[in-house]
Amino acid sequence: DAGVIQSPRHEVTEMGQEVTLRCKPISGHDYLFWYRQTMMRGLELLIYFNNNVPIDDSGMPEDRFSAKMPNASFSTLKIQPSEPRDSAVYFCASNSRPGHNGELFFGEGSRLTVL
Amino acid sequence: AQSVTQLGSHVSVSEGALVLLRCNYSSSVPPYLFWYVQYPNQGLQLLLKYTSAATLVKGINGFEAEFKKSETSFHLTKPSAHMSDAAEYFCAVSEGTGANNLFFGTGTRLTVIP
Repeated sequence: DAGVIQSPRHEVTEMGQEVTLRCKPISGHDYLFWYRQTMMRGLELLIYFNNNVPIDDSGMPEDRFSAKMPNASFSTLKIQPSEPRDSAVYFCASNSRPGHNGELFFGEGSRLTVL
Repeated sequence: AQSVTQLGSHVSVSEGALVLLRCNYSSSVPPYLFWYVQYPNQGLQLLLKYTSAATLVKGINGFEAEFKKSETSFHLTKPSAHMSDAAEYFCAVSEGTGANNLFFGTGTRLTVIP
């Protein structure tokens, strides 16, 4: 199987611009997670979906962030407008409970730099 | 609520020496515990996991970890470090069968000195 696929791998943008990060989970996985990684805060769970429905979005920092999962094979994380403090690596992960007992399969991440 | 604490953000060992990375957890229910490894510019990969079976868990690349309930610990060890072990290591906890999201520690960067 291809693994979790994220795009773009790198994004450099200017403050105020809209950023869209994309994720394709592993086929057959019904849970999808978005994490953010920074030096200061480590890995933070932003939101996760089950069967395309958002289950917990309490980690989404503010209204500038939004996430959607229109179908089982695609999810987006959007930041509008972007700010320099949003610079981070954003990871998407998926799994299929109960088969994986909490184990997550991660993509390679999208490194975002906001100037 | 679940959380993990990793003691030491940086650990350096000589090649061939013992690797010990420390993790303590807090959980109100029997936890599932995980160690993940992250190589530069890559996503996280599972090293090993504890899911309430054997307390000594063996993982990939010669790593193992022991669940000690009395000490609320899940330390990661490897008898002999290899240069390829240089990476960042994350301990994580979940509620087990009751939930599916992981809470990660802040990570420990392992440096292996030749």
